[in-house]
Amino acid sequence: DAKTTQPTSMDCAEGRAANLPCNHSTISGNEYVYWYRQIHSQGPQYIIHGLKNNETNEMASLIITEDRKSSTLILPHATLRDTAVYYCIVRPWGGSQGNLIFGKGTKLSVKP
Amino acid sequence: GAVVSQHPSWVICKSGTSVKIECRSLDFQATTMFWYRQFPKQSLMLMATSNEGSKATYEQGVEKDKFLINHASLTLSTLTVTSAHPEDSSFYICSAYYGVSYEQYFGPGTRLTVT
Repeated sequence: DAKTTQPTSMDCAEGRAANLPCNHSTISGNEYVYWYRQIHSQGPQYIIHGLKNNETNEMASLIITEDRKSSTLILPHATLRDTAVYYCIVRPWGGSQGNLIFGKGTKLSVKP
Repeated sequence: GAVVSQHPSWVICKSGTSVKIECRSLDFQATTMFWYRQFPKQSLMLMATSNEGSKATYEQGVEKDKFLINHASLTLSTLTVTSAHPEDSSFYICSAYYGVSYEQYFGPGTRLTVT
């Protein structure tokens, strides 16, 4: 079972920041927070991951609370092409820990 | 970045026939690949883990004799759906580990329709 809780859906106006929350209250010390997204009828796309520090890359920023029980993915200037299902996943570091377990994710709709 | 391709992108086959789906890592070597299945309006479900040169590890409830996985090289894994039935119609997606941080990169998926 997925170890995360996300809202089922969210709307965001084009050009505004999209803030997608994720609850992972049972996260273990060796588990990272990963974010992927899936645009309709495509394979998932890696966005970002982090352990406890905030992370930023060209796609998004990841803010993890100090207690690590929740996080927020921020798309700073959402575009229509960011409409997708966003998955928050917790997983231990390293390949030996295997696959990603996908929950239901958050369906983000960016509207003009 | 890492690129994973799948072929075909969509396939229609008749019930009782077999169909093979290829998953390739284009610019890196992948010792481990994963196969997922996604039914409409549902999330991805892992079917099996494929390791180069060894037998695949199947998730509980996935028939290994029906879904044959071969990972014969560091850049190619194949999934063969044998004796396909309409209930096997689904979106099949592969992924591969890439880099020192073991990020999973996904292929574009293969839409299988069994008539």
